[in-house]
Amino acid sequence: GQNIDQPTEMTATEGAIVQINCTYQTSGFNGLFWYQQHAGEAPTFLSYNVLDGLEEKGRFSSFLSRSKGYSYLLLKELQMKDSASYLCACTSYNTDKLIFGTGTRLQVFP
Amino acid sequence: EPEVTQTPSHQVTQMGQEVILRCVPISNHLYFYWYRQILGQKVEFLVSFYNNEISEKSEIFDDQFSVERPDGSNFTLKIRSTKLEDSAMYFCASRPSGSGNEQFFGPGTRLTVL
Repeated sequence: GQNIDQPTEMTATEGAIVQINCTYQTSGFNGLFWYQQHAGEAPTFLSYNVLDGLEEKGRFSSFLSRSKGYSYLLLKELQMKDSASYLCACTSYNTDKLIFGTGTRLQVFP
Repeated sequence: EPEVTQTPSHQVTQMGQEVILRCVPISNHLYFYWYRQILGQKVEFLVSFYNNEISEKSEIFDDQFSVERPDGSNFTLKIRSTKLEDSAMYFCASRPSGSGNEQFFGPGTRLTVL
């Protein structure tokens, strides 16, 4: 079966750091993607983790622990434009479809 | 920068009518997908397509749905007889070959079934 959990909503202040967690129970787990989705728009790729550890890309970093079924997305130096939904999505072996969580809606306040 | 395009951006139809949603994937991509997102809900996989055939489909993708790549550029999703519950945003996505490559999403078509 597939189960991906994320907090529904989070708020943070401009310039701060926020961590968005994702836990998953996915048969034959292969890798985990993070996508950003602004309201009414398409998801856009942020990061991909297949091995344990931290992947850093500018202000955004993503971490994966395969043994714990856990990932997080870390956003630093938050900007107003970071207000969006952040989607955790898993893939499994023998398939490349993305299984999405419900997404975390992040609101950044000045 | 190349991008996935979709037309129309918004489609309104009557229940029972057929609709065709169109997508132009990125030109050198080989894998194509349709997802949908009902308002306020999560993005759901519908179907994947590779080498001119369906690779995988979800339970949502029943006999009312079909996909086609009629030429070298377009990728279409047809819903034969729309139902109210088909109202959603439909996203097309594509990716190049190789595992772990990100899927690039189009801007979506908002389908409203009345």
